[in-house]
Amino acid sequence: AQTVTQSQPEMSVQEAETVTLSCTYDTSESDYYLFWYKQPPSRQMILVIRQEAYKQQNATENRFSVNFQKAAKSFSLKISDSQLGDAAMYFCAYISGGGADGLTFGKGTHLIIQP
Amino acid sequence: EAGVAQSPRYKIIEKRQSVAFWCNPISGHATLYWYQQILGQGPKLLIQFQNNGVVDDSQLPKDRFSAERLKGVDSTLKIQPAKLEDSAVYLCASSLSGRQETQYFGPGTRLLVL
Repeated sequence: AQTVTQSQPEMSVQEAETVTLSCTYDTSESDYYLFWYKQPPSRQMILVIRQEAYKQQNATENRFSVNFQKAAKSFSLKISDSQLGDAAMYFCAYISGGGADGLTFGKGTHLIIQP
Repeated sequence: EAGVAQSPRYKIIEKRQSVAFWCNPISGHATLYWYQQILGQGPKLLIQFQNNGVVDDSQLPKDRFSAERLKGVDSTLKIQPAKLEDSAVYLCASSLSGRQETQYFGPGTRLLVL
């Protein structure tokens, strides 16, 4: 079974600074997809960024980018120019290429933005 | 485009009572998921539907949980009888056709079992 590990229960960053959230995963499959989801307090989960395992190029969405290291099974999220609205729980998630079994999530990282 | 709708948003029940949650996915989305998110943890898949058929329910406690998706649109998740450990947020998500596509989540139903 696939597992996703987020080793940082909580991270704190000053507004406008850069922060990196860590994620590692374990799988024996070669076809899979990785995601970062954001869950603000009492609000619904939304997709931040996704990465296809077959693509070597790291995904980027505005201030959000990933560092995907396939051999190391590492998938970190970098948030540049942190804003107060970035404060939330961030979940790393995995899904196999076939899509069965749904998303496997890590335990999440609570990101605090210091004004 | 309307998002995934869920109701109720909050529910408090006594243990051994029954409860039902409702989900309306994004229009046209064939795949629907129910996840359970216990406080301090990431969501865990309970069941996945493709249209009105079950794709995966391996983590659904079938002795007390049941789910259905009639006509391949709305879905209902039921717990009967509820246990204290069922206290969690129940999230519904949908995607266009499953596989690796982006899943869109509803606001969730927060259940407290006393």
